[in-house]
Amino acid sequence: KNQVEQSPQSLIILEGKNCTLQCNYTVSPFSNLRWYKQDTGRGPVSLTIMTFSENTKSNGRYTATLDADTKQSSLHITASQLSDSASYICVVRIGNTGKLIFGQGTTLQVKP
Amino acid sequence: DVKVTQSSRYLVKRTGEKVFLECVQDMDHENMFWYRQDPGLGLRLIYFSYDVKMKEKGDIPEGYSVSREKKERFSLILESASTNQTSMYLCASRLPGPDTEAFFGQGTRLTVV
Repeated sequence: KNQVEQSPQSLIILEGKNCTLQCNYTVSPFSNLRWYKQDTGRGPVSLTIMTFSENTKSNGRYTATLDADTKQSSLHITASQLSDSASYICVVRIGNTGKLIFGQGTTLQVKP
Repeated sequence: DVKVTQSSRYLVKRTGEKVFLECVQDMDHENMFWYRQDPGLGLRLIYFSYDVKMKEKGDIPEGYSVSREKKERFSLILESASTNQTSMYLCASRLPGPDTEAFFGQGTRLTVV
């Protein structure tokens, strides 16, 4: 069954600290993996896309990694800011159908 | 700046009402999607469309229908709203292709009472 599991479900950190969010998937065939950020009451916005051959990709303070062998991805946030408070959603695209499989998301709260 | 606009941010409807959720995109995207988002379940695909007048069922189409008369507009219709359709509804659009990004609207929070 094609599934995407994210952990932790929620996370609270202090401003300025780093954190790492995890995504495990059992999607086959794999096309790509995106991390989306969803602010409260808003639609998701793409942060990064990882294809099969990519291990690491950065977007400012966000760094995504992909291990295609273990089918795991992580999103590392450096020097967190209050504006990082949001839900982060891992989305994997199935290779043959193009269908998107969504994780349940990790809710991050950054406190001052 | 790319834009997907949903007609309402919040809606409250009564059980049994017919409800229309409208979505418009200004990026000339062929593909459009309707999802619902519920706590702990993530986004689930209701319907999608690859072109004008084309529609395909997603994973949870029961109780919903869609209309795509123009390329830029994709409407979700709840024929007879029920309380279990209370949810956040998200519209998205993207170009065809394996690595294209899906752009989402701001969402419509629908409450059926």
